[in-house]
Amino acid sequence: SAVISQKPSRDICQRGTSLTIQCQVDSQVTMMFWYRQQPGQSLTLIATANQGSEATYESGFVIDKFPISRPNLTFSTLTVSNMSPEDSSIYLCSVGTDGTDTQYFGPGTRLTVL
Amino acid sequence: AQTVTQSQPEMSVQEAETVTLSCTYDTSESDYYLFWYKQPPSRQMILVIRQEAYKQQNATENRFSVNFQKAAKSFSLKISDSQLGDAAMYFCAYLFQGAQKLVFGQGTRLTINP
Repeated sequence: SAVISQKPSRDICQRGTSLTIQCQVDSQVTMMFWYRQQPGQSLTLIATANQGSEATYESGFVIDKFPISRPNLTFSTLTVSNMSPEDSSIYLCSVGTDGTDTQYFGPGTRLTVL
Repeated sequence: AQTVTQSQPEMSVQEAETVTLSCTYDTSESDYYLFWYKQPPSRQMILVIRQEAYKQQNATENRFSVNFQKAAKSFSLKISDSQLGDAAMYFCAYLFQGAQKLVFGQGTRLTINP
């Protein structure tokens, strides 16, 4: 399985500000995904990060709020914009291993918005 | 739409005993994958076991095994010889073959009593 890192591991932010979360993989992967896990809840897919094209967002998530970049096959960023306390969550990136349909997850970023 | 249901919010087991976590899902598809992920307090999502729907044989990984009942749309996880390190949230997840979106259940918090 791929080795996935995320930065930052945690952050405390003020409302109205933005935070960019980085996801780095140690090998080239086609599919990268961003999930949100609200406190005490399960994971919900935010979007699929496509290399060389716009991200594909799930219902309820919009690009203005969660802009995503995917400049190459090993890296992606998720920005949480104009944050409010409701954005306090764990944000996780995952990668799809080609040919197996299995996703492996990064360690997550715990975001607290005051 | 596909849904995944974990009816046990919490489970506990004595160390060295066996415990079974339940998962049911709803889908009209015939080709899909099912997963169990473990999330310890470190919040890292760790793949425990994977099952392809077209395989009749139940998947096994060391002390972890599944009971996959395709007709009943049931996918339970059995943990044998429970260890303190098994304490975590366990999430059941579904992936339609060729799709990109993992659908997660609500999770089961497993406590191991020494």
